[in-house]
Amino acid sequence: AQTVTQSQPEMSVQEAETVTLSCTYDTSESDYYLFWYKQPPSRQMILVIRQEAYKQQNATENRFSVNFQKAAKSFSLKISDSQLGDAAMYFCAYRRIQGAQKLVFGQGTRLTINP
Amino acid sequence: DTGVSQDPRHKITKRGQNVTFRCDPISEHNRLYWYRQTLGQGPEFLTYFQNEAQLEKSRLLSDRFSAERPKGSFSTLEIQRTEQGDSAMYLCASSSTGIAKNIQYFGAGTRLSVL
Repeated sequence: AQTVTQSQPEMSVQEAETVTLSCTYDTSESDYYLFWYKQPPSRQMILVIRQEAYKQQNATENRFSVNFQKAAKSFSLKISDSQLGDAAMYFCAYRRIQGAQKLVFGQGTRLTINP
Repeated sequence: DTGVSQDPRHKITKRGQNVTFRCDPISEHNRLYWYRQTLGQGPEFLTYFQNEAQLEKSRLLSDRFSAERPKGSFSTLEIQRTEQGDSAMYLCASSSTGIAKNIQYFGAGTRLSVL
């Protein structure tokens, strides 16, 4: 079974600084999707960024980028120029390409932005 | 596109009562998912529909849980004889089979408290 591990329960960063959230996963599949979702307090979960495992190029979305290391099964999220609105729970998630459609989530990292 | 809608947002019930939650997916999304999220944890998959067919169920979905998606539109999740351990946030998500088929969009969730 696939598992996703986020080893940082909490992280904090100064506004305008850069922070990196860690995620590792375990799978025997060669092709899959990886995601980072953001869940602000009492609000719905929204997609931050996604990565297809067959693509070697790291995904980037504005201030958000990932460092995808397939051999190491590592998928970290870098947030540049942190803003107060980035404060939230961040979840790393995995999904197979074929077969099961479910997302497998990590335990989450609570990110605090210090003004 | 009004997003995924869930009703109610909050539900308080007494142990042993039955509860039903509703999810309205994004229109034209034919895939619908239910997840359960307990405090401080990542969401866990419960079940998945493609159109009206329930294609996958987690072992977490005990006999007291039942989900339906009549006519492939909205979905309901019913919990019978609720237990205190059922207290959680119940999340619904939907996705399409188009170009963005690997992206699941989440609703704000229904928070269940069993007293």
